[in-house]
Amino acid sequence: EDKVVQSPLSLVVHEGDTVTLNCSYEVTNFRSLLWYKQEKKAPTFLFMLTSSGIEKKSGRLSSILDKKELFSILNITATQTGDSAVYLCAVEASQWSWGKLQFGAGTQVVVTP
Amino acid sequence: ETGVTQTPRHLVMGMTNKKSLKCEQHLGHNAMYWYKQSAKKPLELMFVYNFKEQTENNSVPSRFSPECPNSSHLFLHLHTLQPEDSALYLCASSQGESSGSLAKNIQYFGAGTRLSVL
Repeated sequence: EDKVVQSPLSLVVHEGDTVTLNCSYEVTNFRSLLWYKQEKKAPTFLFMLTSSGIEKKSGRLSSILDKKELFSILNITATQTGDSAVYLCAVEASQWSWGKLQFGAGTQVVVTP
Repeated sequence: ETGVTQTPRHLVMGMTNKKSLKCEQHLGHNAMYWYKQSAKKPLELMFVYNFKEQTENNSVPSRFSPECPNSSHLFLHLHTLQPEDSALYLCASSQGESSGSLAKNIQYFGAGTRLSVL
């Protein structure tokens, strides 16, 4: 059965700390992995990863994919209270019907001042 | 503002009511989606429309009826819902299958409709 598992489920950190979130997946014919940030309601797109070992970076956020070990990492450095959100990971596979993404349950991050 | 607008933002309805959720996208996309987000559960894909044609119905009960009159608008018609249908309903859009780009599956979400069924 196809699975997308995020860990940890939640964490609390202090401002300035570094956060590492994990998304592991078990799907056949993997095509891409996407990260989203959900602050209040609308998930907002962060990264799309398709190739192993190539880091995507945007400001203090970065992400990398390991297609051999079937996981991705999302790093947030020098965290700020505005980074508090639920971070969602989603996977696309080529054998699924077009447009289908399978999401993990998310990691809730709370950054305290 | 994500370019995807959903109305209403909140909806309370009884089990015998009929209501509709509306989604409009201003991104020039050709694919639109409905998702259900319940507490402590992953986002569940409900329906996919690509160029106004439904390409996915993820075993959704018939009390949910989607409608896609054009590539910019998507509706979800609700009737005789159950209390367990209470959730956040999210709409999303993406470029569409024919775009030929890896970015075609990047989905952009609206803020959702918080539905409570009494």
